[in-house]
Amino acid sequence: SQTIHQWPATLVQPVGSPLSLECTVEGTSNPNLYWYRQAAGRGLQLLFYSVGIGQISSEVPQNLSASRPQDRQFILSSKKLLLSDSGFYLCAWSVASGAYEQYFGPGTRLTVT
Amino acid sequence: GDSVTQMEGPVTLSEEAFLTINCTYTATGYPSLFWYVQYPGEGLQLLLKATKADDKGSNKGFEATYRKETTSFHLEKGSVQVSDSAVYFCALSSYNQGGKLIFGQGTELSVKP
Repeated sequence: SQTIHQWPATLVQPVGSPLSLECTVEGTSNPNLYWYRQAAGRGLQLLFYSVGIGQISSEVPQNLSASRPQDRQFILSSKKLLLSDSGFYLCAWSVASGAYEQYFGPGTRLTVT
Repeated sequence: GDSVTQMEGPVTLSEEAFLTINCTYTATGYPSLFWYVQYPGEGLQLLLKATKADDKGSNKGFEATYRKETTSFHLEKGSVQVSDSAVYFCALSSYNQGGKLIFGQGTELSVKP
C-alpha cells in the first residue's frame, strides 16, 4: 500500500532563517505531488505541484520554492522566512493528472517567530 | 472557473443527530467529487468519492450522492458520534484542472455528548 511521510512534524524558526520541508511517498511510481498551505482557519492554498522529476508548477508567487530531486521526493524551501509563512503545510500525491483523488500526508506545523 | 461552495459552519449537533453538510459546485465537463475530513492537528483524509452523475459514495456511515441536475454533493450521516467532530471539505477534480483539486472552504462540525 501507499504511504506518504512528511518531516519534521513541527518546526519553530526565526524570521529570516532558511526552511526545508521534506515529503516522500512510498508504494507508487511517478505520482503527481502537491504542496498546500493551511493558514489560520481552514482554507487550503495550493502552492506547488509536480508531474515529474524536475517539473514544478507554482500556483502562487511568494517566498517559497519547491524541488523534486527524485521521483517520490518533494521538497519545499525558503531562503528567508517571513512571519506570514507560518502555517500548516501539507503534502499530497495522486496517481496521475486527471479527475483523481489526492492522498495527504500528516502535515508540518511551521511557526515563524 | 471551477468552484466549490460549502455551507457555513461551525455546525454543532448532539450525539445521534442527523447530519447534512451542503456542497454545491460549478464546473465545466464532468468532474469527480470528493469529501475529505480533517481531525485536529492532522492531514486530510479522503472520506468518500463519486466519479459520475447519480453515483453514491459512502464510508463510515457517511453518504453523498452526485447530483448533476442540482450540481450538488451533500454529505449526510444518520447518527453522528462525538468522534465525528472534525472539519469537512468538499472538493472536485476535473480533467481541465490537470489533476488539481478545487476545495470548498471547509465546514467545522462539533458533536456534543
